[in-house]
Amino acid sequence: AQSVSQHNHHVILSEAASLELGCNYSYGGTVNLFWYVQYPGQHLQLLLKYFSGDPLVKGIKGFEAEFIKSKFSFNLRKPSVQWSDTAEYFCAVNPFGAGKSTFGDGTTLTVKP
Amino acid sequence: EAQVTQNPRYLITVTGKKLTVTCSQNMNHEYMSWYRQDPGLGLRQIYYSMNVEVTDKGDVPEGYKVSRKEKRNFPLILESPSPNQTSLYFCASSFLPFDRGDRNPPYGYTFGSGTRLTVV
Repeated sequence: AQSVSQHNHHVILSEAASLELGCNYSYGGTVNLFWYVQYPGQHLQLLLKYFSGDPLVKGIKGFEAEFIKSKFSFNLRKPSVQWSDTAEYFCAVNPFGAGKSTFGDGTTLTVKP
Repeated sequence: EAQVTQNPRYLITVTGKKLTVTCSQNMNHEYMSWYRQDPGLGLRQIYYSMNVEVTDKGDVPEGYKVSRKEKRNFPLILESPSPNQTSLYFCASSFLPFDRGDRNPPYGYTFGSGTRLTVV
């Protein structure tokens, strides 16, 4: 079975700082990868996704992620965070050929104004 | 407006009293899924459905049932709720990339607003 590990449980940054959230997965085959964001009191929203092709994917709100197959990683980045980015971020993996999805435990990002 | 609608948003019930949480999507998505979210445990998949009349267990299916009689609806049924099923529940739906084979992972999910269930 696949698993997803998000190393940082809680990240605190000041506005304009750069962000990188780690995500590693364990699965031997082809996968689709996702990052979701959950703002306080709201449901999850898709930030970006990777299926194939260019391993650097760009999402909404200035986020991007890089898929490094050899490291089984899909880290989320943003060059300059804003207070409004305060939220919980979830990495998710879907093995190709399977309907079962696995989410990481989430990383809470707090951005101080 | 394209959306996933869950009802109710909040529910308090007693142990053993059967309940149903409804989920409906208006995007003609093939794939639908239920998750529960618990502090420190992230989201865990309960059941999913790749199409009408096709359902499969996720990681934590015990104590839950689902059905997919119509494409748009995917209700979650708790036949005999227990306190350990107190949680925040999310329904999600997605298209499937059928050009990549018979069984495919979904594109990105659209989530419902959640149902906060308390079982006392």
